[in-house]
Amino acid sequence: SQQGEEDPQALSIQEGENATMNCSYKTSINNLQWYRQNSGRGLVHLILIRSNEREKHSGRLRVTLDTSKKSSSLLITASRAADTASYFCATDGNDMRFGAGTRLTVKP
Amino acid sequence: GAGVSQSPSNKVTEKGKDVELRCDPISGHTALYWYRQSLGQGLEFLIYFQGNSAPDKSGLPSDRFSAERTGGSVSTLTIQRTQQEDSAVYLCASSLVADRNSPLHFGNGTRLTVT
Repeated sequence: SQQGEEDPQALSIQEGENATMNCSYKTSINNLQWYRQNSGRGLVHLILIRSNEREKHSGRLRVTLDTSKKSSSLLITASRAADTASYFCATDGNDMRFGAGTRLTVKP
Repeated sequence: GAGVSQSPSNKVTEKGKDVELRCDPISGHTALYWYRQSLGQGLEFLIYFQGNSAPDKSGLPSDRFSAERTGGSVSTLTIQRTQQEDSAVYLCASSLVADRNSPLHFGNGTRLTVT
């Protein structure tokens, strides 16, 4: 199995701006998932995109998947201070593996 | 219904002691995962259980680490002869079935400090 790798490692933006995080992986996948982690707590599932999908929306979240480039992006529009968290991508497999995450800070 | 429950939430132990960390997955979830997260770092996969199949132990860092899952439900992660480098947050997650489209549900973790 393999894991996703997120970039950037850290991102700091002002409230109201959009935040874009990227994830790259190395082998073929069935799906890719994005999770959020608030400090000191467990991860929360945000969205899953299947390999035959190119884009998916959920509220202020937009996820894209480019299987030819083996990459995905997570866009958070109109960011809020409450979006401050670490964001992780994970690719499917019996042992779901996670990258190191992107630490997003949204300044009020 | 209840989410994934982990206990204790915090554990401080002396170097060389054994510790047991407990995970109660969501009822009916057949897949269970353990991860370790050091401060400010990503998640390190430790072990995966799926139903009655043999667990995938490929992520366990040493033979001091072991895990059991009794009756396909509760899981215990045991660390023997703890070392200071074992200090981390240990996260447990479960999913409904081990199909490839099931999201993971995480507990809030056990913060282990080895002094």
